[in-house]
Amino acid sequence: QQQVKQSPQSLIVQKGGISIINCAYENTAFDYFPWYQQFPGKGPALLIAIRPDVSEKKEGRFTISFNKSAKQFSLHIMDSQPGDSATYFCAAARYGQNFVFGPGTRLSVLP
Amino acid sequence: GAGVSQSPSNKVTEKGKDVELRCDPISGHTALYWYRQSLGQGLEFLIYFQGNSAPDKSGLPSDRFSAERTGGSVSTLTIQRTQQEDSAVYLCASSFASGGITGELFFGEGSRLTVL
Repeated sequence: QQQVKQSPQSLIVQKGGISIINCAYENTAFDYFPWYQQFPGKGPALLIAIRPDVSEKKEGRFTISFNKSAKQFSLHIMDSQPGDSATYFCAAARYGQNFVFGPGTRLSVLP
Repeated sequence: GAGVSQSPSNKVTEKGKDVELRCDPISGHTALYWYRQSLGQGLEFLIYFQGNSAPDKSGLPSDRFSAERTGGSVSTLTIQRTQQEDSAVYLCASSFASGGITGELFFGEGSRLTVL
């Protein structure tokens, strides 16, 4: 009930390509769905987040697509750059409870 | 401070010793979380403090692990009688949540613990 599934485990994309990472959840009480980006030796940093009252949110090259009925959400990185190479974690949370994280996706963008 | 501050950034200890890891959350943040990240792995929830409520300790892996949050601000994670499997990066995060709205979660840089 509290798990968040994430795929793929790793992803290799050419520079300029589109990176897509998918997540799925079970608990319909979750009300906040963030994506975090983590570089080696650093703590995760918030990249973009969405709440379930909208189906899409875009910030620059990063877009979250949210499908409430399917209980799925995804991160799209347009025009992927080598500097985007990092580990990406999706998460889900509800007010007053801890954040549940997916297992992460290691993205490599080839120059 | 401007962000979540953790200390020490690195700690090397011998098996069986006790360690304390400190977290200074962002000022005004009501919620504080501890996560553990083993090398190349995901984020394992340990414990969660929210205001004056009883902490959610459901993620603590054993009774060797404990945490406290004093005055609603600074938190200390204590690991007693450390074992080699405790070696990991311990991440602290904080958020401001009120009015039923889940707040953004901000992480510190982590404390890397190595148990020899």
